Amino acid sequence: DTGVSQDPRHKITKRGQNVTFRCDPISEHNRLYWYRQTLGQGPEFLTYFQNEAQLEKSRLLSDRFSAERPKGSFSTLEIQRTEQGDSAMYLCASSSQGAVGELFFGEGSRLTVL
Amino acid sequence: RKEVEQDPGPFNVPEGATVAFNCTYSNSASQSFFWYRQDCRKEPKLLMSVYSSGNEDGRFTAQLNRASQYISLLIRDSKLSDSATYLCVVSSRGNEKLTFGTGTRLTIIP
Repeated sequence: DTGVSQDPRHKITKRGQNVTFRCDPISEHNRLYWYRQTLGQGPEFLTYFQNEAQLEKSRLLSDRFSAERPKGSFSTLEIQRTEQGDSAMYLCASSSQGAVGELFFGEGSRLTVL
Repeated sequence: RKEVEQDPGPFNVPEGATVAFNCTYSNSASQSFFWYRQDCRKEPKLLMSVYSSGNEDGRFTAQLNRASQYISLLIRDSKLSDSATYLCVVSSRGNEKLTFGTGTRLTIIP
């Protein structure tokens, strides 16, 4: 399967714990995005990378959230000191430069904070 | 005001009917427009881009009205398989960030 893969698919954690999600984009794609989606809402932009550079980060993203893409390939999204409001589906997407608007999404990582 | 606004629906439409959705955007600098489709419990997928001159892909027609800052999606001869949530998406010139609307839920009834 050469699509975008995310791991883990489901994560249940207790409030206050740290969680980390991993995303492996389509190999030839240099852009990688993180979005968050809650029930009944569209995907909400969190951040995006071009190669290893983080080019934009949502103002909605608190200091508890951090994302990295150290070698321009896979990316991680870490949430520290999780809160119940962090419960959501975390979607990763990738795209190739020049293909504006065509994001390929992974199946997402569902986070439940108890 | 949200950057991208859609009527969340649900729209319940009989099979074979024509259905249309509108979406409005607030940023006049928005340059690129798209419709994505999201099936229940699945990831969003690009349905079609929206061009200034309007464009058609089979039973689907997308239109852009820059003066009024809205885009539309028309589905003709609707099929049961068209049941999904349709997400309106915009981006600004030079900005690779795509902003999604809330989505409009469509159910096609046999």
